[in-house]
Amino acid sequence: AQSVTQLGSHVSVSEGALVLLRCNYSSSVPPYLFWYVQYPNQGLQLLLKYTSAATLVKGINGFEAEFKKSETSFHLTKPSAHMSDAAEYFCAVSGGGYQKVTFGTGTKLQVIP
Amino acid sequence: EADIYQTPRYLVIGTGKKITLECSQTMGHDKMYWYQQDPGMELHLIHYSYGVNSTEKGDLSSESTVSRIRTEHFPLTLESARPSHTSQYLCASSVPGGETQYFGPGTRLLVL
Repeated sequence: AQSVTQLGSHVSVSEGALVLLRCNYSSSVPPYLFWYVQYPNQGLQLLLKYTSAATLVKGINGFEAEFKKSETSFHLTKPSAHMSDAAEYFCAVSGGGYQKVTFGTGTKLQVIP
Repeated sequence: EADIYQTPRYLVIGTGKKITLECSQTMGHDKMYWYQQDPGMELHLIHYSYGVNSTEKGDLSSESTVSRIRTEHFPLTLESARPSHTSQYLCASSVPGGETQYFGPGTRLLVL
């Protein structure tokens, strides 16, 4: 069994401020973890993924996430928010390979000028 | 950039009508998926396919059906649309054993 919990359905940050989106997971097997971004009227796009290699994963658009097994967390961060970062972000977990992917409920990021 | 397409992007239709949502990908991926997405909810897997002539129901019970006659094409059909079918439907694909899914832009369906 696997699940994902995203803390905060809405997060607001000022332009230039740190972005922190929280994700906690549970998995009965070593997890594969993902962050996807969804812009308005578009599908989901992969930001980054963890597949048991380095615990700090760098993705596109300056985002990164750190896998912390002891905390069962995979929080997404970006040092400086840009207006174009406004979107909805989904955390997801999988057992890898043919295992299904379970998505969180999403966090909408608002960037205030 | 993923090459996965969905048509129509928006559809408003009356109750009882039959509709087919189209999904095509040009990446040669064997695995394809249909998700239902509602605001504030997690994505729910409603159908998936491992390849041609393979289709399975997902976690969320759905009155829709799918077919996979060609690798690149994975249409979803509702025989008789109802207001409860109003939602956004996302199609995705991945390589066998691959964890990353590539998503289409979605179809927003409104059933009156």
